[in-house]
Amino acid sequence: QKEVEQNSGPLSVPEGAIASLNCTYSDRGSQSFFWYRQYSGKSPELIMFIYSNGDKEDGRFTAQLNKASQYVSLLIRDSQPSDSATYLCAVRDNYGQNFVFGPGTRLSVLP
Amino acid sequence: EAGVTQFPSHSVIEKGQTVTLRCDPISGHDNLYWYRRVMGKEIKFLLHFVKESKQDESGMPNNRFLAERTGGTYSTLKVQPAELEDSGVYFCASSRGFRDTEAFFGQGTRLTVV
Repeated sequence: QKEVEQNSGPLSVPEGAIASLNCTYSDRGSQSFFWYRQYSGKSPELIMFIYSNGDKEDGRFTAQLNKASQYVSLLIRDSQPSDSATYLCAVRDNYGQNFVFGPGTRLSVLP
Repeated sequence: EAGVTQFPSHSVIEKGQTVTLRCDPISGHDNLYWYRRVMGKEIKFLLHFVKESKQDESGMPNNRFLAERTGGTYSTLKVQPAELEDSGVYFCASSRGFRDTEAFFGQGTRLTVV
């Protein structure tokens, strides 16, 4: 059973701080890793994806991947109240191209 | 470019009735996925189509659920007969199918079985 784990939160950070979201996965054959943001009552929307070890930056967001440790994280710099949402980690395997989602971490950015 | 669209957005039905959910993927996307989020739980995979073929249906909870994708275009997910535990939000997503391409999600269908 392929599993993706995240802390459910809520994770509370003050406005302007760095929010750090973590995700671990069980399938070593996983190739691609995605971070989605989901506002309450809305559909998930992609923030960014990563498939090489190391860091990938996009604006205020940085994804970090460590395949040896089977760990992927998302850093949000200069957090804003509008960043308050549930962040979903999704892992795509090497074979079926299926996406397996973690339970999501609820982030609350306090003004 | 139109996104993934789902119909209906909400459905309230009685236990034992039948409901059919529809998903229109983004044009040209061979991969179509159905997911379900039950209240307070994570998004769970139901099944995956590649064109009109079922690539993986390991997440389908039982034989009350039937998914089709005729002609490799839109897909339907039928629940017959519906049970109370089927309530939740059903998401459809589509992707082109390459390793590093994302899945685009529809707005979801909120199903309530009473």
